[in-house]
Order: sequence, then structure tokens, then C-alpha cells
Amino acid sequence: SYELTQPPSVSVSPGQTARITCSGDALPKKYAYWYQQKSGQAPVLVIYEDSKRPSGIPERFSGSSSGTMATLTISGAQVEDEADYYCYSTDSSGNHSLFGGGTKLTVL
Amino acid sequence: QVTLKESGPVLVKPTETLTLTCTVSGFSLSNARMGVSWIRQPPGKALEWLAHIFSNDEKSYSTSLKSRLTISKDTSKSQVVLTMTNMDPVDTATYYCARIEELWFGEHYFDYWGQGTLVTVSS
Repeated sequence: SYELTQPPSVSVSPGQTARITCSGDALPKKYAYWYQQKSGQAPVLVIYEDSKRPSGIPERFSGSSSGTMATLTISGAQVEDEADYYCYSTDSSGNHSLFGGGTKLTVL
Repeated sequence: QVTLKESGPVLVKPTETLTLTCTVSGFSLSNARMGVSWIRQPPGKALEWLAHIFSNDEKSYSTSLKSRLTISKDTSKSQVVLTMTNMDPVDTATYYCARIEELWFGEHYFDYWGQGTLVTVSS
């Protein structure tokens, strides 16, 4: 079955750039989306259609995709960016949705 | 503004059927290129997509859970209902409903989420 693969954890110091990757065989033909989930809260969309940022999301969040890998970049990560991040996409048939396993971002 | 709210039992027994309702506001379930998904998250684990239903009544289910799930909608009540049969303790999770924004067939994502409801499966 189709999978989206993320690193379990990423750690950076405040002000550094955090990069979280997501790999999947269908990503060359499908958009990647990124969700931020802080402890005890519902997920929030931070990047859609590979690289677009919803209104209200800080400019330090950006996304890119090349081949089978999508990347979420947080430039100048802040302590408040500590959260779990999930990539999301659909499979090649378009009928099924799936999430990556999530990446815990630590900023300290 | 767009809101979604999940409701249902907080505790179910093993082998029972779970019925969850998502009540939406700020948009209509008949809006073209929109739909609602159910997603769950066991404690400390990752998000798992379960099912979705679109305005044209198109439905899709997680392959691994398809035999246990049924999704339906009542547009007049602005509600989407998910039933899951034969509940097991491993189904203990927070269950979310989320609005789907569809770009074109096979390309969609979740732009608004409910707060989630924790369902515990225990005898």
C-alpha cells in the first residue's frame, strides 16, 4: 500500500532553519500538504498545494516539492513552532487520502 | 465562519457499533467541490484518514477499515455521520471531522477541522 514517509523527529535551536521531509512515490503527480498539530489541539493547515501558505500562517513557513520528496521549511524557527507536523496527500488513484507518520519538531 | 463539531459517545464497549455525527456550519454539504472527511488519532500516534463523502454523494473508505465503516450525510441537517462496527480497544482515538476542499477529482485536502472527540473502547 502507498505510504508517505517522514523522519520521526527534527531538532533545531531557535532562529535556525528546520526542514522536514516527506517522501512518496505519487508526489511527482500529487500535491503535498502540511499540517501543524500542537499538543492537545486539532491540526492546522500550514502549507497547501506544495508551496502555498494560507492566510495567517507566518512567512517563515514555506514548502517545496521535487520528484518524490516534499519539504516543509521553517526559516528562523521559533519556540512556538514546536509541534508535530504531518504531510498529507492522495494516492495515485485519487480515491484515498493518507498522512505521513508525523515529525516531532523540537525547538530549544 | 466555517465550523465543524463532532458528537457521539465517549465510551463504547468492545464489539459495539460506534456512531459519530459531524455538524457543520458556515458552508453547505451541497456546495460543489466540497466534502467532509473523518480522521482519527490514537493517543500519542499519527493521524489516520478513515473516510470521506463529497457533495455529489461520492464516498471513499480507508482500505484497511472499509468493511467496518459507513459514511453518510443529511444535507438538510448539515450533518455527516460515520458508523464503525465491531469496535475494539485499538480503536480508542480522538476522532476528527474535517472539511474537504477539492481542486479537481483526486486532488483534495482538509482546510477546516473540528475540535475532535475522544472515544474510548473498553468493557
